[in-house]
Order: sequence, then structure tokens, then C-alpha cells
Amino acid sequence: KNEVEQSPQNLTAQEGEFITINCSYSVGISALHWLQQHPGGGIVSLFMLSSGKKKHGRLIATINIQEKHSSLHITASHPRDSAVYICAANSGGSNYKLTFGKGTLLTVNP
Amino acid sequence: ETGVTQSPTHLIKTRGQQVTLRCSSQSGHNTVSWYQQALGQGPQFIFQYYREEENGRGNFPPRFSGLQFPNYSSELNVNALELDDSALYLCASSLGQTNSPLHFGNGTRLTVT
Repeated sequence: KNEVEQSPQNLTAQEGEFITINCSYSVGISALHWLQQHPGGGIVSLFMLSSGKKKHGRLIATINIQEKHSSLHITASHPRDSAVYICAANSGGSNYKLTFGKGTLLTVNP
Repeated sequence: ETGVTQSPTHLIKTRGQQVTLRCSSQSGHNTVSWYQQALGQGPQFIFQYYREEENGRGNFPPRFSGLQFPNYSSELNVNALELDDSALYLCASSLGQTNSPLHFGNGTRLTVT
């Protein structure tokens, strides 16, 4: 069993829909990262959070440390949001030895 | 401010050969982490350099080695290439060791034949 599990693996939505991607982890963490990867490979860091909630534009990330669970929400989804979304847990220490989930492939249709 | 740049973007090598991949970190960033992403998988941590010293390593054999230079750019070297080394290699830079967001490059796609 992977230490970081994401669900769903694939998600197809219509433009304008509210999207939720879930991430559960089994390790103790100092921070959890949400990343976006487009075809071709480039990765963009969306959020790094260790507690509570963060918001950036139409994206919201929440984390519940007690339940070892984080969610990424996208409001008013748009076709340009289509990408792979990856959560990664940093189990602490002095480096970015992140444990990554396998990613959620999001497709938003117009 | 310039972002993280990696070179080359694509590379084809033969089994047994050696390869060097390069990463220029974002201006002012002193930490570089390297990750390997096999097709259809999430990335896996290879190692991290902080101020020219390796300060963390994942589950990769010694034939994966690295360097960080005084300007904080970095190299990943892989000796005795194997077919399973075919992957996207990503580097990410940050300011500080773990308390700053990561900035990723676009990766180097390595194919070993």
C-alpha cells in the first residue's frame, strides 16, 4: 500500500463544475504539497500546507492533520484546469524527501 | 527572476552508458532536489543538495550521484545506465531546506535503449 493515496485516479467534469480531489497519507508529515502537472511534464507547485486551509484564485486546499487527509477543490472549473494533480507528503526532517501520490488526471470538457 | 531550467530536454542513451543532467535553480535558491518520474507514476525522490552538500537521499543506488555548484546549479549523474532508468527527471529548487515552496523545472526526458 502506497503511503500517499489519491482519489479518484481519473476525473472528467463539465466546465463550471466544482471539483474535489482527495489525498490520504499514512506517514507523519511536516507539510503537504499539491502540484499540477501538464502534458510534457512541467510541474507547478499549487500549495504547501501544514494545517487549515489555503486559497488561491479558484483553488482551495484543506488539510486535516488528525485524519491525515487533504483535499484540493477547484471552483468553476475550466478546460485549462485539465492536468494531473499530485499530492506529496513531506515527512519532515531537513529535506524535501517527498512521498508522492500517483496523481489524479482531471479532464474538464467545454 | 528566472525560473528553474533543465538541460537537455530530451536525451537518448544506450544501456551501460553514463549521462549528466543539469539544473539551474531559480535565482536566490540554495536548495535543489532531484526526482525520477517513470511513465504513469508519481515522482520519486532521488536526493537533495543544500549549499553544495547532499542532505538527503532516496532509495536509489550509488550509480546515481550529484553535485551542487557554488552558484547553486546542480548536476545529476547516472552511471551504467539500465533500461529502467528511462524516465522524466525533474529538479526543483527552493530557498531553505523544507519551509519554502518548491519550484520545478520542466524536466529531462531520458530514454535508455
